[in-house]
Amino acid sequence: AQSVTQLGSHVSVSEGALVLLRCNYSSSVPPYLFWYVQYPNQGLQLLLKYTTGATLVKGINGFEAEFKKSETSFHLTKPSAHMSDAAEYFCAVFTGTASKLTFGTGTRLQVTL
Amino acid sequence: EAGVAQSPRYKIIEKRQSVAFWCNPISGHATLYWYQQILGQGPKLLIQFQNNGVVDDSQLPKDRFSAERLKGVDSTLKIQPAKLEDSAVYLCASSLGGTGLYEQYFGPGTRLTVT
Repeated sequence: AQSVTQLGSHVSVSEGALVLLRCNYSSSVPPYLFWYVQYPNQGLQLLLKYTTGATLVKGINGFEAEFKKSETSFHLTKPSAHMSDAAEYFCAVFTGTASKLTFGTGTRLQVTL
Repeated sequence: EAGVAQSPRYKIIEKRQSVAFWCNPISGHATLYWYQQILGQGPKLLIQFQNNGVVDDSQLPKDRFSAERLKGVDSTLKIQPAKLEDSAVYLCASSLGGTGLYEQYFGPGTRLTVT
């Protein structure tokens, strides 16, 4: 079975500060990993994904994530937070075994002045 | 390129009533998904279609939920009768294919409140 754990349901950072959203996964087979962002009253939008190859993945809006197999982690980072980054962020895993996306419970990012 | 369209955006019904949601995927996308997102949780897959065939409906409560995708394009999701625990946002998504290599594009969702 595959699963995702997002540590911290709420994260607050100051504008300009580093953003770090944590995601750990569980999978018995090599996973594909995703980060999605959801703005209020909108659907989910893909930020970035890891399938194979380079373990550091760059996405839209300056976000990046690193796949660390030894730590079963896929943490999302951004060097400098912007007010427009305030949203809910979901980590998700896909494996060929389950053949579907399994989402974490989400982390709400708040950006303060 | 037009995105995934869903209607209605909001719906309030009483328990034991029925309700239907509609989804129009991105043109050319063979795979269509319905997710249920309960407040404070991540989306949970209810059903996945490949063209007009069902690929996965293992988490669909079939005693009250039904879905169809006629002609492999639009889809409807129905709940009959609704329960209080069905209050959630119902998201529709589509993709070119059903593997994880294909990006899923999400619609804005339908927020259902059951009273």
